[in-house]
Amino acid sequence: DVKVTQSSRYLVKRTGEKVFLECVQDMDHENMFWYRQDPGLGLRLIYFSYDVKMKEKGDIPEGYSVSREKKERFSLILESASTNQTSMYLCASSSTGWNSPLHFGNGTRLTVT
Amino acid sequence: RKEVEQDPGPFNVPEGATVAFNCTYSNSASQSFFWYRQDCRKEPKLLMSVYSSGNEDGRFTAQLNRASQYISLLIRDSKLSDSATYLCVVRLTGGGNKLTFGTGTQLKVEL
Repeated sequence: DVKVTQSSRYLVKRTGEKVFLECVQDMDHENMFWYRQDPGLGLRLIYFSYDVKMKEKGDIPEGYSVSREKKERFSLILESASTNQTSMYLCASSSTGWNSPLHFGNGTRLTVT
Repeated sequence: RKEVEQDPGPFNVPEGATVAFNCTYSNSASQSFFWYRQDCRKEPKLLMSVYSSGNEDGRFTAQLNRASQYISLLIRDSKLSDSATYLCVVRLTGGGNKLTFGTGTQLKVEL
């Protein structure tokens, strides 16, 4: 079974802090993704990566950056957290192939005060 | 127009009922399709992929209509445990591995 692990389930940070969200997958998947999920807006893609050291902007990359130094790990960085970044953050991974589904971690609920 | 659209519901149905959801997508170059299930405050989990010829997994049947650009999910003999939000997911041809999610349809199965 694919396991995608996010480092924190709940996180509370102050405005202006630098925040790191970590994600690790154990299935040697090439692709990794960061989404945020907000009521009424669904899941929105922030960034994704299809290889080590590669990254692509998703639909809402502003205010975020990512790092993928190793294949199994994909980090999301909030350089200076703001209250509008309070959200549920979901990491996912998939293998290559047009019909490969995403496998999600159990999410990090971030509150910025 | 949204890339992937779903009726948010909620659909309230009695146990044992048959219920169907549709999901429309705007881009005819869409390549692959999935249904995910998401329980309250949990992560989405893959329910089933959707194949061109339609496919069935137990009480669940998925259909794809490329001409009208929609996919459907049929749940027969609904159980209380089927209560969840069902997310429609679409991948574009040539879109790399980017998947687009609908905002979900909420199902509540009642006694």
